[in-house]
Amino acid sequence: DVKVTQSSRYLVKRTGEKVFLECVQDMDHENMFWYRQDPGLGLRLIYFSYDVKMKEKGDIPEGYSVSREKKERFSLILESASTNQTSMYLCAIAKGRAEAFFGQGTRLTVV
Amino acid sequence: AQSVTQPDIHITVSEGASLELRCNYSYGATPYLFWYVQSPGQGLQLLLKYFSGDTLVQGIKGFEAEFKRSQSSFNLRKPSVHWSDAAEYFCAVGALEYGNKLVFGAGTILRVKS
Repeated sequence: DVKVTQSSRYLVKRTGEKVFLECVQDMDHENMFWYRQDPGLGLRLIYFSYDVKMKEKGDIPEGYSVSREKKERFSLILESASTNQTSMYLCAIAKGRAEAFFGQGTRLTVV
Repeated sequence: AQSVTQPDIHITVSEGASLELRCNYSYGATPYLFWYVQSPGQGLQLLLKYFSGDTLVQGIKGFEAEFKRSQSSFNLRKPSVHWSDAAEYFCAVGALEYGNKLVFGAGTILRVKS
């Protein structure tokens, strides 16, 4: 079974804090993605990575950065959390053109 | 840039009726496409996928989708809906020339009335 593990299911952070969301895979897939899911907006791509140390901006990268130092780990960083970043964050992995597999999600609340 | 449009935010159908969920994409080359389903409080589950070849693809739970290049569409269909199909459905598109960047639509919420 494919395993995509996100470090937290629920997270509450204060405005202005630096927040780290971690995603770890056990499948050696080269592509990793970070999305946020909001009602009525679907899944919006924040960043993706197709190899170690390689990253590409998605559709809504503002206020976020990412790190991929090892193939199995892809981190999403909120440099200075704001209330409009309260959302469900989903990590996904994929190999080539194959389907994506998702983590269980992290529900982040910024207060 | 890639984009995926699901024009219907909500759809309500009667149990036993047929279903069609629309998906249109904007792309410069031949994309590969997916449909995912998400039940309340659950993760995303893959229903079906299209890469190439036969433009009518079969998926799980009795779903099928047809790729129409001329219309840039990949609509999802089911001949007879069951109450358990009530969920949110997402269309997604990817492309090799964009580094396999995978973009999702905004989703369609399906309600099934008995």
